[in-house]
Amino acid sequence: GAVVSQHPSRVICKSGTSVKIECRSLDFQATTMFWYRQFPKQSLMLMATSNEGSKATYEQGVEKDKFLINHASLTLSTLTVTSAHPEDSSFYICSARQRQNEKLFFGSGTQLSVL
Amino acid sequence: QKEVEQDPGPLSVPEGAIVSLNCTYSNSAFQYFMWYRQYSRKGPELLMYTYSSGNKEDGRFTAQVDKSSKYISLFIRDSQPSDSATYLCAMSAGTSYDKVIFGPGTSLSVIP
Repeated sequence: GAVVSQHPSRVICKSGTSVKIECRSLDFQATTMFWYRQFPKQSLMLMATSNEGSKATYEQGVEKDKFLINHASLTLSTLTVTSAHPEDSSFYICSARQRQNEKLFFGSGTQLSVL
Repeated sequence: QKEVEQDPGPLSVPEGAIVSLNCTYSNSAFQYFMWYRQYSRKGPELLMYTYSSGNKEDGRFTAQVDKSSKYISLFIRDSQPSDSATYLCAMSAGTSYDKVIFGPGTSLSVIP
């Protein structure tokens, strides 16, 4: 299957700092990329939908000024958690939808811990 | 009513058993159906992908879609301990700007 690379896999930061997470589709062009948050033993919670060259669409309750999404190309999207606080600690996962068949492929996830 | 319903389990079966996982949905516009497997603290892995109704088989896995009943299934034959994971169904209407809607996931344990 297609490969989506997500980095970093784990990050620990101090409260108040910003953290950037990268999501790349390595061998296909993605029409759309999605960002999710997942708490232990819970399902994926969609945070935002990102289309190349346009502004991201955020789900209700997700602060767009806190979670900045940039989708610069058909293969790269970034999520920046600005001024992170301990309550932002979570597992963040990206996915990319393949242009030709609508298949969705996931990155390996990023565990963010804010101290 | 949620768009996609899935029994969260946990489901526990002995090694070698046939496992049946199911989802129901309410949106008749859905036409792309997927099953993902997620191990703890990892990203979901695409297992099966089906367009419209019908069956699809890949090794020990069989996916079935019944659009008339709005019901999809994933069967795992000869289950192995390595199949222990959370299984998520997912579906979309298929235009590039549609969201992919996920079920809450079923936790499966295959006991040796």
